[in-house]
Amino acid sequence: GNSVTQMEGPVTLSEEAFLTINCTYTATGYPSLFWYVQYPGEGLQLLLKATKADDKGSNKGFEATYRKETTSFHLEKGSVQVSDSAVYFCALNAGGTSYGKLTFGQGTILTVHP
Amino acid sequence: KAGVTQTPRYLIKTRGQQVTLSCSPISGHRSVSWYQQTPGQGLQFLFEYFSETQRNKGNFPGRFSGRQFSNSRSEMNVSTLELGDSALYLCASSLSLSTNYGYTFGSGTRLTVV
Repeated sequence: GNSVTQMEGPVTLSEEAFLTINCTYTATGYPSLFWYVQYPGEGLQLLLKATKADDKGSNKGFEATYRKETTSFHLEKGSVQVSDSAVYFCALNAGGTSYGKLTFGQGTILTVHP
Repeated sequence: KAGVTQTPRYLIKTRGQQVTLSCSPISGHRSVSWYQQTPGQGLQFLFEYFSETQRNKGNFPGRFSGRQFSNSRSEMNVSTLELGDSALYLCASSLSLSTNYGYTFGSGTRLTVV
């Protein structure tokens, strides 16, 4: 079946540090890939997406590139801020009979200190 | 424009009772999905509706059911509540079945079963 694996957390960084959160996936076909962010007490917000191999999704300084050869979609940001502290989820939508179903990773807690 | 609206935000129920949660998608969105979020199991897919038809269902017992109305609003029902049903229930909507579209999530309904 389809699955998403995220790097073990939590991740603690100082402000302005470089961020990488690893994400790898297993899926049949050509899934679309997403990163969602969840702030305390809230639902999930779409951060960025990529729908085909070599696509780069970007938003608010965050980037991720769809690497089919390594089945990865790692999230990066060059300089994190305290306000980036949240839980980050990598997800895929495999399409086909899985329309409407997102498969999520376990989430990575990010804490950024001033 | 208005986002995905879930009601109520918080709910406390007793074991054995039943509960109905409501989700109003973004205007024009016809696909509605439901997810259960718990600390132990993470985000798990419950079911997805498109144009009033359930197109996908996750691995949950029959106590979990849902429906979608002609205006795309959706409800999910859990009968004979168990303590393990305590979770954040998230609804998401999307414009179509295409995997290219992201899903917009509501803030969720926090269900506590006592």
